[in-house]
Amino acid sequence: GAGVSQSPSNKVTEKGKDVELRCDPISGHTALYWYRQSLGQGLEFLIYFQGNSAPDKSGLPSDRFSAERTGGSVSTLTIQRTQQEDSAVYLCASSLDFRGTEAFFGQGTRLTVV
Amino acid sequence: AQSVTQLDSQVPVFEEAPVELRCNYSSSVSVYLFWYVQYPNQGLQLLLKYLSGSTLVKGINGFEAEFNKSQTSFHLRKPSVHISDTAEYFCAVSPPNTGFQKLVFGTGTRLLVSP
Repeated sequence: GAGVSQSPSNKVTEKGKDVELRCDPISGHTALYWYRQSLGQGLEFLIYFQGNSAPDKSGLPSDRFSAERTGGSVSTLTIQRTQQEDSAVYLCASSLDFRGTEAFFGQGTRLTVV
Repeated sequence: AQSVTQLDSQVPVFEEAPVELRCNYSSSVSVYLFWYVQYPNQGLQLLLKYLSGSTLVKGINGFEAEFNKSQTSFHLRKPSVHISDTAEYFCAVSPPNTGFQKLVFGTGTRLLVSP
């Protein structure tokens, strides 16, 4: 597609439920990144995929968070047993490859845990 | 490790006035420097970047930034702002040649332009 697409744009879920957030990167981009943006905070790196290499999961805040990338394209971020502190905007970005100094961001998914 | 400080969480300014958004960084190695802009309900967009060479970097929408190594700063400036510049601005740094995933972002500065 023309840009990075994320769905849903908004998600309200009850505490304790699992949620899945989807990211479609720009076609041909081999690198994909997930970030979390909480109110009053900067962007927090979560996870990074590069081609078929093992992902860099160093930013995931707990084992309730996981992500996968199927076929080197679409990625899904899963949060299990959601907590209120998980409420944030989750941003996905992609770049041409791991050497890229610029990444293109999607509009984000605003997650609200009630 | 690198860190970024954006001292101003919010900067109100009148239309057509000049603006400076401050960014200071801490790093024990040389760095690449970036400014990103986030318009309401949108993702981040690259405004400008400094990799090497001239310390004055020009970006999109009339913005520019100057890298000052001795003061470890990379302040963003625009001589005359528009209402449409209202957005959140993020400064970021990374070690050279390490890829986008190593970017460390500041907490952002909200620019509010009023008529």
